[in-house]
Amino acid sequence: AQKVTQTQTSISVMEKTTVTMDCVYETQDSSYFLFWYKQTASGEIVFLIRQDSYKKENATVGHYSLNFQKPKSSIGLIITATQIEDSAVYFCAMRNNNNRIFFGDGTQLVVKP
Amino acid sequence: EAAVTQSPRSKVAVTGGKVTLSCHQTNNHDYMYWYRQDTGHGLRLIHYSYVADSTEKGDIPDGYKASRPSQENFSLILELASLSQTAVYFCASSRQNSDYTFGSGTRLLVI
Repeated sequence: AQKVTQTQTSISVMEKTTVTMDCVYETQDSSYFLFWYKQTASGEIVFLIRQDSYKKENATVGHYSLNFQKPKSSIGLIITATQIEDSAVYFCAMRNNNNRIFFGDGTQLVVKP
Repeated sequence: EAAVTQSPRSKVAVTGGKVTLSCHQTNNHDYMYWYRQDTGHGLRLIHYSYVADSTEKGDIPDGYKASRPSQENFSLILELASLSQTAVYFCASSRQNSDYTFGSGTRLLVI
């Protein structure tokens, strides 16, 4: 079975701090791809960052980085120096060998000034 | 600029009526998908396609049909709309093993 679980429903942080969002996944595939997406208040869904399962190095893009712990089937998203504009819903996702992407239920991030 | 365009942006439909949601991509992607998002929830896969003239069922296909007449176009059809199909529908496209590019969504209200 393929499944993605985000246990944090909502997180609130102060601006300019660092936040980590958790995600665990289940798959029987030996090779897979992990993604994080951001859904803004307007409803737009944008791709943020990806981690290929065969890569050991954690991906980093701008102020987004990943904490990939393969033995724990975990892919956390870390946002450093948070900004008000980072307030959104963040979705963790996994793409399997059938080219389907499975999404978690999302984590609402509120960044306060 | 490569993009995924959905139409209409919003629609009000009558119960029992037919609804067609359209999606057009200029990304030259082989894969296209239709997802449904209910308020406060994640995305659930309805139908997808990896080649023109072929579609596959996703996790919640009941009550929906899909059509992929060309690489660029992918439609979602509700033959008999029901109240439970009120939701936001997202179309997406991708290359193999790559991330998705999403459309802006279609907000459907069935009354």
